[in-house]
Amino acid sequence: DVKVTQSSRYLVKRTGEKVFLECVQDMDHENMFWYRQDPGLGLRLIYFSYDVKMKEKGDIPEGYSVSREKKERFSLILESASTNQTSMYLCASSQTYGYTFGSGTRLTVV
Amino acid sequence: GESVGLHLPTLSVQEGDNSIINCAYSNSASDYFIWYKQESGKGPQFIIDIRSNMDKRQGQRVTVLLNKTVKHLSLQIAATQPGDSAVYFCAETADNYGQNFVFGPGTRLSVLP
Repeated sequence: DVKVTQSSRYLVKRTGEKVFLECVQDMDHENMFWYRQDPGLGLRLIYFSYDVKMKEKGDIPEGYSVSREKKERFSLILESASTNQTSMYLCASSQTYGYTFGSGTRLTVV
Repeated sequence: GESVGLHLPTLSVQEGDNSIINCAYSNSASDYFIWYKQESGKGPQFIIDIRSNMDKRQGQRVTVLLNKTVKHLSLQIAATQPGDSAVYFCAETADNYGQNFVFGPGTRLSVLP
């Protein structure tokens, strides 16, 4: 089975800090995605990547950037964390139909 | 899927009863749909999928029904068990490669003893 690993389950950061969320998949998938999940709003796409060094903005990219230097790793960067970025962040990867998700990182910005 | 605001719809069912979770999708061009289950503290897990050329698909204890006329998807869980307690949400895509999903807000299923 594909495994998508997010490095941290819980993070607490201060306003203004630069935050890195790491995601690694082990099945050589081309496609990787970052979502944030908030109650009642569903999953909202932040950024995605269909290839190494390639990135595309999703629906809510403001305040975020990404990096994909290697095929298996897709990093989400909060340039200057703000309290409205407190959320659950989910990474996913895919090759064809459907996504495999990581366990999520619950980020709290104080 | 349609946003229902900050409060997640909740469905409570007795253990052993059947559960029906509904999803209204937004894009009439969507041709592939997935139901995901998300337990507390975990990432979403694939349950079952269906393509638009089908009306019904069955898995183990789960059935997905698709009504394209009214853009409605439902997930039926037979003989609901405590382990079925989770948030369930649908995902739709019109992408030819099965990517670019739009996710519904989810429904919380609570199984009562």
